[in-house]
Amino acid sequence: GAGVSQSPSNKVTEKGKDVELRCDPISGHTALYWYRQSLGQGLEFLIYFQGNSAPDKSGLPSDRFSAERTGGSVSTLTIQRTQQEDSAVYLCASSPPRLAGGAYEQYFGPGTRLTVT
Amino acid sequence: EDKVVQSPLSLVVHEGDTVTLNCSYEVTNFRSLLWYKQEKKAPTFLFMLTSSGIEKKSGRLSSILDKKELFSILNITATQTGDSAIYLCAVVNSGYALNFGKGTSLLVTP
Repeated sequence: GAGVSQSPSNKVTEKGKDVELRCDPISGHTALYWYRQSLGQGLEFLIYFQGNSAPDKSGLPSDRFSAERTGGSVSTLTIQRTQQEDSAVYLCASSPPRLAGGAYEQYFGPGTRLTVT
Repeated sequence: EDKVVQSPLSLVVHEGDTVTLNCSYEVTNFRSLLWYKQEKKAPTFLFMLTSSGIEKKSGRLSSILDKKELFSILNITATQTGDSAIYLCAVVNSGYALNFGKGTSLLVTP
């Protein structure tokens, strides 16, 4: 079936502008995650959704970052007043419903490369 | 603070060589360890390990977990140029997020 998709694949924006990044998870996957990968850094967790709620937002770097998920499917990550340090690849992942005590692998989308000039 | 350390950071080998990539971790409430291969953008899933001493195998790739010594290895035998990529190790604790190491960059030369 179709994998995780993200759009746009590349985004160049001017410092101070707002951007929206979109993620379409694999159908039936209830869990959705956003990560960020900066040059020379590992993947950094941003936020986790279970259904439409976000029980873990601990990785959001500042209040300029927000995310929502609607219909238990599509998610949007919004960055307001972008700064140059926001330049990175933003990756989305999804996984099936997790049973108590269990863990499931996360499947990643191709990412959005954000460049803030 | 949870920690995932991969070694080496980079590696160059010739086609046909066997390589071993290492991942050590310090994580509270460990649940599982995952290996991913990242060639361009999207990390692609390789293995998930939850139990010690049980080898997971897929073609020329294999991996094993040691929960006592807190590490995992990823082996690639008879390497090919298509194996060139960044290999990422990640650990899941009682939360939900993957806690990634910085990766091992593997280059296989013809």
